[in-house]
Amino acid sequence: AQSVAQPEDQVNVAEGNPLTVKCTYSVSGNPYLFWYVQYPNRGLQFLLKYITGDNLVKGSYGFEAEFNKSQTSFHLKKPSALVSDSALYFCAVRYNTNAGKSTFGDGTTLTVKP
Amino acid sequence: IAGITQAPTSQILAAGRRMTLRCTQDMRHNAMYWYRQDLGLGLRLIHYSNTAGTTGKGEVPDGYSVSRANTDDFPLTLASAVPSQTSVYFCASSEQLASGNSNEQFFGPGTRLTVL
Repeated sequence: AQSVAQPEDQVNVAEGNPLTVKCTYSVSGNPYLFWYVQYPNRGLQFLLKYITGDNLVKGSYGFEAEFNKSQTSFHLKKPSALVSDSALYFCAVRYNTNAGKSTFGDGTTLTVKP
Repeated sequence: IAGITQAPTSQILAAGRRMTLRCTQDMRHNAMYWYRQDLGLGLRLIHYSNTAGTTGKGEVPDGYSVSRANTDDFPLTLASAVPSQTSVYFCASSEQLASGNSNEQFFGPGTRLTVL
């Protein structure tokens, strides 16, 4: 079984401040973890993934995420937010033998204010 | 074509009608997926296909069918549409590795379907 939780429906930050979008997961096996971003009226776009190796993963647009096995978390972070980062963010998890079937969180709306 | 295309972009459909949503990818990915996105429910997997000629049921398959006659196309059919199938539908694809694992998914632009 696998599941993912994004505990915050909405995150608001000021431009230039650091941002964190939270994600926790549950899998029976080694997790494959993904972050996607969705802009209005668009499909999801891949940001970054953790498969194995270094716990700190760097992705597109300056985003990074840290895999924490003990806390079963994979929070998305960015040191300095931009107004253009405002979008809907999805965390997804899959365990490594689940033939590609990922489970997505409900999404977190990030709003960056000027 | 670059990436994944979906058609139509939007559709209003009378309940009871049959509808096929089209999805085509040009990346030669062997895995493809159909999701529906509903407010407050995130993305839910309807059906998937790990390779041409095979399909599988996802989380919410009832009322939907798929086929995978070739690598590029993965149509989703609603045999008799009902209002609860009003949603935004996304097709996605990913590279399925020989190990059985797959990489990140690439998503189409979506089809907004309204069933009245």
